[in-house]
Amino acid sequence: AQTVTQSQPEMSVQEAETVTLSCTYDTSENNYYLFWYKQPPSRQMILVIRQEAYKQQNATENRFSVNFQKAAKSFSLKISDSQLGDTAMYFCAFMKLVIGTDKLIFGTGTRLQVFP
Amino acid sequence: NAGVTQTPKFQVLKTGQSMTLQCAQDMNHEYMSWYRQDPGMGLRLIHYSVGAGITDQGEVPNGYNVSRSTTEDFPLRLLSAAPSQTSVYFCASSGTGRDGYTFGSGTRLTVV
Repeated sequence: AQTVTQSQPEMSVQEAETVTLSCTYDTSENNYYLFWYKQPPSRQMILVIRQEAYKQQNATENRFSVNFQKAAKSFSLKISDSQLGDTAMYFCAFMKLVIGTDKLIFGTGTRLQVFP
Repeated sequence: NAGVTQTPKFQVLKTGQSMTLQCAQDMNHEYMSWYRQDPGMGLRLIHYSVGAGITDQGEVPNGYNVSRSTTEDFPLRLLSAAPSQTSVYFCASSGTGRDGYTFGSGTRLTVV
């Protein structure tokens, strides 16, 4: 069974600084997808970024980028130029590539606080 | 464009009562899932569906039933509520899964 581990329950960063959230996963699959979701105090789950395991290039979405290390089974999220609106819970998620079983498996989350 | 709509947003139940959490999506997505979110445990999959008439169990299915009679709707039924089912419930849908899921705004359920 696949597992996703987020070892940092809480992180904090000052506005405009850079922060990296860690995520490791365990799988015997070779083809899969990885995601980062953001959950602000509003409770809404928002997709931040996704990575396809067969792509070497790290995904980037504006100030958000990932460091995907397939051999190490690591998938960290870097937030550059942090903003107050980035304050949220961040969840790492895994999905294996099997047609008909596109299930998301989540980590336990990292609570990020951005200070002014 | 409503996306994924969950009702109700809040609910209090007494132990032993039954109820249905509603979920509807207007994006013609084939994949739909139900998750529960508990403090320190992330989101755990309860049931999921890959199309109308097809459902399967997730990680924590006990005490919950689902059905998928249409592409749009995926209701979650609590058969006999227990305090252990106090949680925030999320419904999510996706066109292909690998594009990522769109989530509803959640239902906070308290069982007393």
